[in-house]
Amino acid sequence: DAGVIQSPRHEVTEMGQEVTLRCKPISGHDYLFWYRQTMMRGLELLIYFNNNVPIDDSGMPEDRFSAKMPNASFSTLKIQPSEPRDSAVYFCASSPDRGAYGYTFGSGTRLTVV
Amino acid sequence: AQSVAQPEDQVNVAEGNPLTVKCTYSVSGNPYLFWYVQYPNRGLQFLLKYITGDNLVKGSYGFEAEFNKSQTSFHLKKPSALVSDSALYFCAVRDFTSGTYKYIFGTGTRLKVLA
Repeated sequence: DAGVIQSPRHEVTEMGQEVTLRCKPISGHDYLFWYRQTMMRGLELLIYFNNNVPIDDSGMPEDRFSAKMPNASFSTLKIQPSEPRDSAVYFCASSPDRGAYGYTFGSGTRLTVV
Repeated sequence: AQSVAQPEDQVNVAEGNPLTVKCTYSVSGNPYLFWYVQYPNRGLQFLLKYITGDNLVKGSYGFEAEFNKSQTSFHLKKPSALVSDSALYFCAVRDFTSGTYKYIFGTGTRLKVLA
């Protein structure tokens, strides 16, 4: 298995533009998580899905952020419009269960909003 | 509220010496505890977990962790550090509140192993 695949690895965009981050979880993993990592706030859970359904989106910072999972093999995190304070590394992780055996993380997308 | 604390931002240790990275937790009920490692420009990698059973848990790359219920700690240890162990280490606890299942991560501890 290729693991959790995220794209792009790096994204530089101008303030106000729409940004879409993509994630392909490990096949057979029913849970998918989006995390954001910054120096100031560490790792924050933004949202997670179970069987493609959003379960907890309480970590999504504001309405500019949205996430979808149209099928079991693909998820997107969209920021519209983007702001400089959204600059961070965004990680996607998947798990075959509720996390009792650990998550598998992707390599992340480093987003820079200028 | 569930929480996890890593009191040290950085730990320095000489190669070949034992290392300890500290973690304390606060949970209601039985804790599910985890350690992850992050190398530069990479995602987090699972090292080991404690759910139940023996208090000493063995994981990847020669790491182990000791669960201590009375001290609410879950320190990560390795008998002999390698330079290649230099990385960022995260402790995490699984949050069962509100009927959802998610991890709460500590702020991370940077381990630097000196040759």
